[in-house]
Amino acid sequence: DIVMTQAPLSVSVTPGESASISCRSSKSLLHSNGITYVYWYLQKPGKSPQLLIYRMSNLASGVPDRFSGSGSETDFTLKISRVEAEDVGIYYCGQLLENPYTFGAGTKLELK
Amino acid sequence: EVKLVESGGGLVQPGRSLKLSCAASGFSFNDYWMGWVRQAPGKGLEWIGEINQDSSTINYTPSLKDKFTISRDNAQNTLYLQMSKLGSEDTAIYYCARIAAIDYWGQGVMVTVSS
Repeated sequence: DIVMTQAPLSVSVTPGESASISCRSSKSLLHSNGITYVYWYLQKPGKSPQLLIYRMSNLASGVPDRFSGSGSETDFTLKISRVEAEDVGIYYCGQLLENPYTFGAGTKLELK
Repeated sequence: EVKLVESGGGLVQPGRSLKLSCAASGFSFNDYWMGWVRQAPGKGLEWIGEINQDSSTINYTPSLKDKFTISRDNAQNTLYLQMSKLGSEDTAIYYCARIAAIDYWGQGVMVTVSS
């Protein structure tokens, strides 16, 4: 199985400042079709996960453009600029390249 | 509006079976792969499996393949998860999800396995 490793496990951010979360995969997530199958999700407290970024760098519908995704074949970054109170929760990266799909352990974002 | 509503959860004794349902609306159900993800209390996300549009392909995470069965009824816009030989390790919130990007998730249903 592909292992997804996130860092840090938690991050504390002052509102209005930026935050970055890293994710590393144990195998390249770049498909021969040129698409990199890494995804980012946010699970707000007591809620279901929601899709933020798909295929490494594409913003999901309705997601503020303060969120952005980037990376290479195995190293990925979610950046949140101008963090707001509504961004609090646990962020997960996931790979949908091959079954079984796998997720990172999550990064908890809190406000200072 | 896309909606996924799970049902069928609850308290079940170890070794017993349980079947979850997921009612889908707001999109063309039979155009999408669908799947299940679970989350044990205080833990991360665990992929269970997925089913394609005509049920001809079903993929499972290997550790659950012998215990769980995914199926769907396109006429009823409903996804199912049949769980058998349940143990305490299966206690979790079970989410149904629309695949491709796992872009929509249900609200989840709690399954508690305990005597």
